[in-house]
Order: sequence, then structure tokens, then C-alpha cells
Amino acid sequence: GENVEQHPSTLSVQEGDSAVIKCTYSDSASNYFPWYKQELGKGPQLIIDIRSNVGEKKDQRIAVTLNKTAKHFSLHITETQPEDSAVYFCAAPTRDSNYQLIWGAGTKLIIKP
Amino acid sequence: EAGVTQFPSHSVIEKGQTVTLRCDPISGHDNLYWYRRVMGKEIKFLLHFVKESKQDESGMPNNRFLAERTGGTYSTLKVQPAELEDSGVYFCASSLSGTNEKLFFGSGTQLSVL
Repeated sequence: GENVEQHPSTLSVQEGDSAVIKCTYSDSASNYFPWYKQELGKGPQLIIDIRSNVGEKKDQRIAVTLNKTAKHFSLHITETQPEDSAVYFCAAPTRDSNYQLIWGAGTKLIIKP
Repeated sequence: EAGVTQFPSHSVIEKGQTVTLRCDPISGHDNLYWYRRVMGKEIKFLLHFVKESKQDESGMPNNRFLAERTGGTYSTLKVQPAELEDSGVYFCASSLSGTNEKLFFGSGTQLSVL
């Protein structure tokens, strides 16, 4: 069946360093890839998304890259700060629906001071 | 503008009991979704409302789960009777469009069934 694999499950980086989280999807027809950030005590919040017609998208310190051939996409956070500590989820659409998403299992990002 | 609100934030019940979760979407959002995340695993779709109608309930685990959205405003998700495997975080989300983009999530209800 369709699935989205997300790695790593936990990532600990020094404040100021970069963090990279990777996801692999199975449906080659997928065309929309969002990333959500869940801070402690809150629900997931959309932070960036990318469509399949572009290879990279940036928004200040965060960027997402997409490799359609390999069917994977990555979240890059540069100059990490304490407020970046959270659980990050990637997702991809299912082929059966235009509103359902298949989610990765999440990455807990820890920023060490 | 108020975001998506969920109540309660935590619920601890015993196996066999009934629990009702509530979600108030962002005002004007016709689309309302319920999701569940079991500890450490992926977020899974449960169902989707468009106004008061169930658009898709293919993710509902079994008939112990009942979701309603009378009047097309707030929604409730009832679990009766609760089982141990129902434990997890139940998220509600709403959106303006009926697509998979720009979902606004509530803070979730942490359900523990003992």
C-alpha cells in the first residue's frame, strides 16, 4: 500500500547547526508535499510545502527539496534556534483522494544550547 | 481569530467506558477532519466532514467510533465502548478548501484507556 517513510525519528543538533529530515513516498503520481511542525502542547502547523513542478522552495531559514525521480523530499533548517525544537511531520497525498494525506511517523528535533 | 479548539485536552478512562471528544473548527471552515496518532507512529486520517455531511469516513477503525457534526459547526467523536488500543492523540483539523492543503489543527485530545 501507499506509505511515507520519515527519517530520522529523533535528531539532536547543536544550536546554530543545520538539521535535515528526509521522507520517501511510494506513489509517483503524488504532487504536493507539506511539512508540519508540532510544538509541545500544540497541534501540527503547516510551515512549508512544495509542489511537484519545482525542485526547491525556501522560506527564510527553512527549505524543502524534492527529488521526483527518487521519490523523496527533505526539510532543511539552517542556523537552528531553540524554538526549532519540535516534532516535524512530512506528508504526501493518496491517489484515491484529493484531501487525504499519508503522514510520516514524525521526527523529534532537539536543539542543544 | 480563534483557531481550532478541542476539548478535553486529556481524558483518562477505563476500558469499556464511553468518551466524547469535541472539536470547534475555525469559523467559516466547512471542512472538518479527525485524525489520530498512536504514540510514536504516523498521523492517520479518520474522517472528513463537509458542513454537516460525512464526505469520507473510510479511516474510522470500527463501529465503536461515531462522529457527528450537527448543524455543520462543531463536531463530536464518541468512542463507545473504549478499548485499550484506542489510546492516542486525537486531532481535529479544519480548512477552507476541501483539498489536502493548509490544514489548521487543534491541540489534540490525549486519550488514555486503562
